[in-house]
Amino acid sequence: KAGVTQTPRYLIKTRGQQVTLSCSPISGHRSVSWYQQTPGQGLQFLFEYFSETQRNKGNFPGRFSGRQFSNSRSEMNVSTLELGDSALYLCASSHDGQGGEKLFFGSGTQLSVL
Amino acid sequence: AQSVTQLGSHVSVSEGALVLLRCNYSSSVPPYLFWYVQYPNQGLQLLLKYTSAATLVKGINGFEAEFKKSETSFHLTKPSAHMSDAAEYFCAVSDPTTGNQFYFGTGTSLTVIP
Repeated sequence: KAGVTQTPRYLIKTRGQQVTLSCSPISGHRSVSWYQQTPGQGLQFLFEYFSETQRNKGNFPGRFSGRQFSNSRSEMNVSTLELGDSALYLCASSHDGQGGEKLFFGSGTQLSVL
Repeated sequence: AQSVTQLGSHVSVSEGALVLLRCNYSSSVPPYLFWYVQYPNQGLQLLLKYTSAATLVKGINGFEAEFKKSETSFHLTKPSAHMSDAAEYFCAVSDPTTGNQFYFGTGTSLTVIP
């Protein structure tokens, strides 16, 4: 099976712009989660989607949003970019989204905001 | 609410020495606990997980961890370090009642000295 695929791998944007990141989960996985990784902060949970519905949401401002399509592919959008949004954004998928399940991570999208 | 504290952002060990990476958690309910490893420019991979079965959990690549409820700890160990173990290690906790929302520690960077 193909792994979790995230595109693009690298992005450079300027403050005030918006950006859309894409994640294709492992075939058959219905849960997709997004995390923001920054040095010294570890991974911060953004949100989780399951069967096209947002099921869990982390403590991020409304500028961060996401959606999931019927084929389980997911996108996250960040509007009005700020310098502090520079980070590695990781997507993870799992089969049923149960708490004890193994997460499969993509390699991430490295976002730089100038 | 759940949280994870990883003591020591950087750990160095000699090749062949014991690896000990510390993780303490806070959880209002019996948690699920995980260790993930991240190699440079890659996503995270699951090393092992605890989901209320045996308290001593064995994972891949010779790693193991012991769940100690009285100490709220889930430390990761490996008897003999290899050069290939050099990576970033993350401890994570999830609440079994809230689905797929994970709380990660800030990570420990392991250096193996030849």
